[in-house]
Amino acid sequence: DTEVTQTPKHLVMGMTNKKSLKCEQHMGHRAMYWYKQKAKKPPELMFVYSYEKLSINESVPSRFSPECPNSSLLNLHLHALQPEDSALYLCASSQDSWDRGSNTEAFFGQGTRLTVV
Amino acid sequence: QKEVEQNSGPLSVPEGAIASLNCTYSDRGSQSFFWYRQYSGKSPELIMSIYSNGDKEDGRFTAQLNKASQYVSLLIRDSQPSDSATYLCAVHVNAGGTSYGKLTFGQGTILTVHP
Repeated sequence: DTEVTQTPKHLVMGMTNKKSLKCEQHMGHRAMYWYKQKAKKPPELMFVYSYEKLSINESVPSRFSPECPNSSLLNLHLHALQPEDSALYLCASSQDSWDRGSNTEAFFGQGTRLTVV
Repeated sequence: QKEVEQNSGPLSVPEGAIASLNCTYSDRGSQSFFWYRQYSGKSPELIMSIYSNGDKEDGRFTAQLNKASQYVSLLIRDSQPSDSATYLCAVHVNAGGTSYGKLTFGQGTILTVHP
C-alpha cells in the first residue's frame, strides 16, 4: 500500500480567507513533503518534515504555514493568499528522510487543486 | 546549468515502438534517481527508481544509469497509447550546505503514443 490521502481535492478561497490542506499516510513513513505545481511545470519543493520536525523550508512566504501534528499527518495552513498562489499542491511521503536513510522513494497524494480568487 | 535537465520533447512514437527518455544532472554526488509518470490533471506516480550504474528492468520499463556521464534514461518498450503522459526525471541533489540531497525534478517530457 503506497497511499497518501489529501483533502480536499479542490479548494476555492478568497484572498482574505484562512483554510487548511490535509495530508495523511499510514505507511509508517518518517518523512513528509509539500510540493507546489503550476500548470506545465514540474513540482517545486516547499517544505520537508523529517521525524515530525521541519527540516527544509524552501524560502516559502509566511502565508503558507506547515504543521505536522504526528507522524501520519501533515497540514498546510493558508492565509492571505494571492491569485498567483493558485496551483496544484502535492503532499508526498517516503520511508526514510533524505538525511537519514537510503529508502527515499517518494509517493505522492492526489493533490489539492487550489484556486485563489 | 539546471540541476536536472530532460530532453525537451514533446516525443511522439507509434504504438509498439520503443520510447526513449533522457535526463542529465549536475550534482556528481547524487545517489538516487527516479522516474515519475504524470497524466494530465493527476499527481506524479513513481514508476522506476535506480541507484547503481547499469540497467534496471521492470516489465516494459528499463531505467539506465551512468554516473560517470551524469546521465539517466528511461526506455519504454512496446509503447501503448495509455503510456501517453508527462515523464518526470527526479534526482536527489545536494541541498547546499547540508549533508543530504533534496528531490529535484526535471522539466518533464511529454510523450504521445499514437495508434
